[in-house]
Amino acid sequence: GAVVSQHPSWVICKSGTSVKIECRSLDFQATTMFWYRQFPKQSLMLMATSNEGSKATYEQGVEKDKFLINHASLTLSTLTVTSAHPEDSSFYICSALDRAVGGYTFGSGTRLTVV
Amino acid sequence: RKEVEQDPGPFNVPEGATVAFNCTYSNSASQSFFWYRQDCRKEPKLLMSVYSSGNEDGRFTAQLNRASQYISLLIRDSKLSDSATYLCVVSPFDGGYNKLIFGAGTRLAVHP
Repeated sequence: GAVVSQHPSWVICKSGTSVKIECRSLDFQATTMFWYRQFPKQSLMLMATSNEGSKATYEQGVEKDKFLINHASLTLSTLTVTSAHPEDSSFYICSALDRAVGGYTFGSGTRLTVV
Repeated sequence: RKEVEQDPGPFNVPEGATVAFNCTYSNSASQSFFWYRQDCRKEPKLLMSVYSSGNEDGRFTAQLNRASQYISLLIRDSKLSDSATYLCVVSPFDGGYNKLIFGAGTRLAVHP
């Protein structure tokens, strides 16, 4: 089945630094990628939707200059958390839409801790 | 009001029990409905889609009531391995070609 590889699985960084998270679709073309954030005991909240080759669409309240999304190819999308702060500590998950089958495939998530 | 609301639980049930989860959604334009399962610190995994006519997959039965904007999941003969958080998910457009809106999840703990 479709697989999305997400890296890193976890990362600890110092406040003020930037962190890049990658999601790769391994055996299908992901023209659309969704990025979610999940705080403990809360639901997955959609941050942004990106389509290959175009600018991402951000959800209300999500700072596009802080959460940079790049979807330059059909198999790779990246989320960069710039100038991370402790309140950005969360579980970040990507989800790729496989249009061939009309289903969503999730990455395994990245647990970010900012200290 | 949240777009998708669920009882957070936890539901603590013995093995073999039948348990039901409910979910309501606020956007009447929602077209696709799903139940996902999420284990602790893992990504969500699709359990089943939900259709207006209701559908069953082994021990799992899902129901949709569009008029009431209500979705349910019934688990029969609970197993220890069913322990997880169950996420109610809706999508505004048919075919799933759009973003998914997640509920906060209902936690299930099945004990021996």
